[in-house]
Amino acid sequence: AQSVAQPEDQVNVAEGNPLTVKCTYSVSGNPYLFWYVQYPNRGLQFLLKYITGDNLVKGSYGFEAEFNKSQTSFHLKKPSALVSDSALYFCAVRDRAREGSARQLTFGSGTQLTVLP
Amino acid sequence: EAGVTQFPSHSVIEKGQTVTLRCDPISGHDNLYWYRRVMGKEIKFLLHFVKESKQDESGMPNNRFLAERTGGTYSTLKVQPAELEDSGVYFCASSQTDRSSGANVLTFGAGSRLTVL
Repeated sequence: AQSVAQPEDQVNVAEGNPLTVKCTYSVSGNPYLFWYVQYPNRGLQFLLKYITGDNLVKGSYGFEAEFNKSQTSFHLKKPSALVSDSALYFCAVRDRAREGSARQLTFGSGTQLTVLP
Repeated sequence: EAGVTQFPSHSVIEKGQTVTLRCDPISGHDNLYWYRRVMGKEIKFLLHFVKESKQDESGMPNNRFLAERTGGTYSTLKVQPAELEDSGVYFCASSQTDRSSGANVLTFGAGSRLTVL
């Protein structure tokens, strides 16, 4: 079975500082990995995804994530946080080798990021 | 382009009552998904339509939940009778069908918050 762990329910960071939101995953094959963000009263918005190739993936709003196969991690990062980055962040995985229900996206429990002015 | 629309945004019902949630996907998107987030936990897959057919309903919790997508356009998710543990946020998402379906990005609606008292 595939799974995602977001070990931190809450991350606080000062504006202008770098931010990291952690994600580790478990799949039987190779993964497709995604980050989504949810702002208040809005739907989940796609940030970035890893399919193959370069381990460093760049996405929307200056975010990036690094795929680390040996550590089965896909941490989300941004060099300089903005107050407007405050939101709920979800990591998700899909096992590219599996069929049926194992092909559905599996999400983590979410990390609330608060950027302090 | 209109996004994924969900109605109602919030529903409060008593245990034993019936609620029907509606999702209008992006026009032309064959894939429609229902997900649920309960009590701040992970977002869990419920089911997946391809056009009007149920491709995967392995995440449906029990037979009190009924999803339909007549005509392959909008979808409804009915809960009857509702129980306390059904409270949560129900998300709908849609995507196009292409060769790299595993890497498809889902577009989510804002969610329907269900509160069962």
